[in-house]
Amino acid sequence: EAQVTQNPRYLITVTGKKLTVTCSQNMNHEYMSWYRQDPGLGLRQIYYSMNVEVTDKGDVPEGYKVSRKEKRNFPLILESPSPNQTSLYFCASSPGQTSTDTQYFGPGTRLTVL
Amino acid sequence: QKEVEQNSGPLSVPEGAIASLNCTYSDRGSQSFFWYRQYSGKSPELIMSIYSNGDKEDGRFTAQLNKASQYVSLLIRDSQPSDSATYLCAVNSNGYALNFGKGTSLLVTP
Repeated sequence: EAQVTQNPRYLITVTGKKLTVTCSQNMNHEYMSWYRQDPGLGLRQIYYSMNVEVTDKGDVPEGYKVSRKEKRNFPLILESPSPNQTSLYFCASSPGQTSTDTQYFGPGTRLTVL
Repeated sequence: QKEVEQNSGPLSVPEGAIASLNCTYSDRGSQSFFWYRQYSGKSPELIMSIYSNGDKEDGRFTAQLNKASQYVSLLIRDSQPSDSATYLCAVNSNGYALNFGKGTSLLVTP
């Protein structure tokens, strides 16, 4: 089944404890992206990647890191999480190298930082 | 910051009626426009994409784009209770970034 998977789906952690949220797609898509969704603020793009080893900042990159060493994987790293990073996170992928194609979203990761 | 504006709603329509959802955007260079539907607690899923001025129809859904007015809309005909969800307008920016509106909540009442 063609899909985008995220792990973990739910995570409660404490301030300052480094964490990684994994994202993987099995559709051979070029473009991958991370979003956070907060009540009243909508979906905001954190980082995106057009290809392996090519990434760029979205609207809200502060406090996050990403890497794209393989086409299928695009992990999101929070090196020192803070409570304001409590949010619902979505990973997405699309076939082309731009954001002009349909994006397919993962199931989401609900993160709570205490 | 590229802005994408939507009325938050809720927009309430009776079953069988036409629901009209609107979106405006600030980046005149935007070329790709999308409507996603999101049920509570779920991930967004694509309803329609539109790239050229005019109308694009797919079943009960029609997307309308007017680049001169920087306006994109979604019409849902014969609305069903299962259409009750949040509808997200998304606009491509610089070819790589994707900016979403905050979403319009639609409630279709039986």
